[in-house]
Amino acid sequence: SQTIHQWPATLVQPVGSPLSLECTVEGTSNPNLYWYRQAAGRGLQLLFYSIGIDQISSEVPQNLSASRPQDRQFILSSKKLLLSDSGFYLCAWNPGLAGVGEQYFGPGTRLTVT
Amino acid sequence: GNSVTQMEGPVTLSEEAFLTINCTYTATGYPSLFWYVQYPGEGLQLLLKATKADDKGSNKGFEATYRKETTSFHLEKGSVQVSDSAVYFCALGTGGGNKLTFGTGTQLKVEL
Repeated sequence: SQTIHQWPATLVQPVGSPLSLECTVEGTSNPNLYWYRQAAGRGLQLLFYSIGIDQISSEVPQNLSASRPQDRQFILSSKKLLLSDSGFYLCAWNPGLAGVGEQYFGPGTRLTVT
Repeated sequence: GNSVTQMEGPVTLSEEAFLTINCTYTATGYPSLFWYVQYPGEGLQLLLKATKADDKGSNKGFEATYRKETTSFHLEKGSVQVSDSAVYFCALGTGGGNKLTFGTGTQLKVEL
């Protein structure tokens, strides 16, 4: 069966510091991968999605970047965090097959920028 | 573009009450429709789905029917439990990359 991991689970970082969040998927190949942000009490905002290694689309201009160095690894980064980067970050995957639209989510990373 | 509209929350019910959470959508083409549930501090879990008109998705006592004529996908459960307290998201899927468009979520609180 497939599993998705995210780490760290929680993170407190000062403004201006760098960020690296990691997501890995097991038990599947060539998945589509997604990064979302969920602000407190708000809905989901799609940040990046990737249909393959080094194939990444950015949905919203922002202070963040994403990379996919391996087929089942997706990394969210920032060079200098802003207060507005605080939130709950969710990684998700999809089998990448036509007609299979559902996404499966990881447990999330709670980021607090102080 | 695609959009999903959900009823505002929070919805507060007594245990064993009937639940309806409304969801309507706007989409080009023929989307698939989904309901996700998010428990506090956790990621989203797929609750049910429907891929074409008149399909009924069901899981754990929850049901939703894909109504193309009213562009709706309302979530229902006949008898809610305290353990159903969570945030529920309606979503539609279409387009390249299998992206999903989410509603803003509806918080459900079930009390004894």
